[in-house]
Amino acid sequence: AQSVSQHNHHVILSEAASLELGCNYSYGGTVNLFWYVQYPGQHLQLLLKYFSGDPLVKGIKGFEAEFIKSKFSFNLRKPSVQWSDTAEYFCAAANYGGSQGNLIFGKGTKLSVKP
Amino acid sequence: DAGVIQSPRHEVTEMGQEVTLRCKPISGHDYLFWYRQTMMRGLELLIYFNNNVPIDDSGMPEDRFSAKMPNASFSTLKIQPSEPRDSAVYFCASGLSGGGETQYFGPGTRLLVL
Repeated sequence: AQSVSQHNHHVILSEAASLELGCNYSYGGTVNLFWYVQYPGQHLQLLLKYFSGDPLVKGIKGFEAEFIKSKFSFNLRKPSVQWSDTAEYFCAAANYGGSQGNLIFGKGTKLSVKP
Repeated sequence: DAGVIQSPRHEVTEMGQEVTLRCKPISGHDYLFWYRQTMMRGLELLIYFNNNVPIDDSGMPEDRFSAKMPNASFSTLKIQPSEPRDSAVYFCASGLSGGGETQYFGPGTRLLVL
């Protein structure tokens, strides 16, 4: 079955630390990959997405993610986190060219950044 | 564009009452999704529509839940009768064919059933 796994449930970092959140997907064929962010009390916002091309994708607020096909991974990174990055981060995947409805979300990783 | 609009933003009701949640998708989007988010279960897709037609409602928890989309700019999610375990944040999202499955979320409705 298609699935998206986020292995870290809660990550705690100090400001200026580097961040890497893991995401693995289980899909046949070509996939579209997404990272969404949910700040406390707010809705999900698209952080970045990968459809094709350069496997290193840059998003908003200094985030980037790397698609590694051989590892079925799409890890999210940021070289230096800020307190304002405290949020929950969701990885999602869908079959390329599939219908909109087949987007599957991971369970989320909560990031807490200590000032 | 105003983005996806949901109302109400907060709803407190008593067990047994009917609850109606409303959503206005982004203009021109032809897909609409209803999600439920809880601490225990995370983000769950309840139902989605394409061109106002329900495509997959397999995520709807039980018959107490129903959703409609009478036109391209409005959808409702109804719970009747409501139960305390329905307490959650309900998100509506919309998307566009050919948009690569990108979904745009509304601010959510925080529902508390006492």
